Parts: sequence; C-alpha cells; structure tokens
Amino acid sequence: EVQLVESGGGLVPPGGSLRLSCTASGFIFSSYSMNWVRQAPGKGLEWVSYIGSSRTTRYYADSAKGRFTISRDNVKNSLYLQMNSLRAEDTAVYYCAREPHGGNSMDIWGQGTMVTVSS
Amino acid sequence: QSALTQPRSVSGSPGQSVTISCTGTSSDVGGYNYVSWYQQHPGKAPKLLIYDVSKRPSGVPDRFSGSKSGNTASLTISGLQAEDEADYYCCSYGGSHPWVFGGGTKVTVL
Repeated sequence: EVQLVESGGGLVPPGGSLRLSCTASGFIFSSYSMNWVRQAPGKGLEWVSYIGSSRTTRYYADSAKGRFTISRDNVKNSLYLQMNSLRAEDTAVYYCAREPHGGNSMDIWGQGTMVTVSS
Repeated sequence: QSALTQPRSVSGSPGQSVTISCTGTSSDVGGYNYVSWYQQHPGKAPKLLIYDVSKRPSGVPDRFSGSKSGNTASLTISGLQAEDEADYYCCSYGGSHPWVFGGGTKVTVL
C-alpha cells in the first residue's frame, strides 16, 4: 500500500525548534518530488516547502524562508522539515504530500502531524 | 504569493450540480495548465480529485469535472450526493513558489 506517515509534532514554546519526519512506503520514494503543506486550525491549506527527487532543488514559502529547512534521505525513505524560530502562527497540522510523475499535483498525502507553538 | 480566490461556501440539493470557482492571476492559474482540486472531509487529509485542470485520477467518480478559462478555474460536481459535503481546495503551479492554494470552499448538501 502506498503510504506516507508523518511524526515529530508536538507542543513547543515560541522561538523553539522542531523536526518533522515523513516516512514513505509502497513506492520508490527516491524518484518522487515531495512537499510539506500545513493547515492552521479552522483555516485552509498552505504550501510550505518543496524538494526535488534528487534533493538539489528546494523551494520555500515566504513564511518559511530562513526558518525552515526541507531535506530527505532516500535510503531511509524519509522526508524531513526542520523548523526553527517557531512562532504562534506556525501552529498547524503539517502534511507531507507526494507529487506524481508527470502530474502537477499532490496525489498521496499523509495523515498529518500537529504542531502547537505556545508558552 | 497570494492565495487563489474561492467562494467561502456553496450549497445544493442532492442530484443538483454545483460549481466552485478559483480565481488567480496570469502568474499562476492563467499561466499554466497545472490546476488541481482537493476534497477534504473534517479531520481527514486532503484527497486529489482533479489534476492538470481537468484530469481525474483513477477511482474519482466522473461526477467531478474541472475546467479553466483565463485566470479562473472551476470544479463542477454533478449529481450532488450526501458524501460530497466537504471542503474543496484549488491549487495552481505558481512558478518560483511552486504551489499556491485557494482559501477553500465548503460544500453543503441541503
């Protein structure tokens, strides 16, 4: 079964750091580009970051630039999001999502992991 | 990158059709045929419904269809069913910021 499972969320104080993980199974992880998308409570979806299959291409939303770092380990079939200098407005469910070959969309999503930034 | 503009809510009776609009700019919706649509039920992850403006992944009913004209994309749900009650999001490729989402539309089945 094709699956993405996120982990690493939790409660962190403002200014703190957190590292999210997304473990893939059921497909050849190394050949797919990946994204992080977040959703604040009661709000819509917001794209956060993208990484190409070969790790050389990375993009960030303005809200994440300079604070978040996306990375991947194709041996461990894992995607990561290192989040530093966290703010209250970063509170959200964070989803990892796969981009399919030749289809400009996100076809497989994880169940999400909740990040709460609060003192 | 500004979010794409969607109506906050639309509603329809079972069997009717509803259309959700998604308005962007020539830098996203109007510039690329890379609009996708997602369905999200409460507490669940988004599910891909439409990609490349009008293509459906396998398993998505043909009641769901997509189109685009200029800077506005649309999702039409024909033969509305109770299980279609959910939030719907459009998304477009946006160049250097690859993806931009719409604000979401709540579909209510009356």
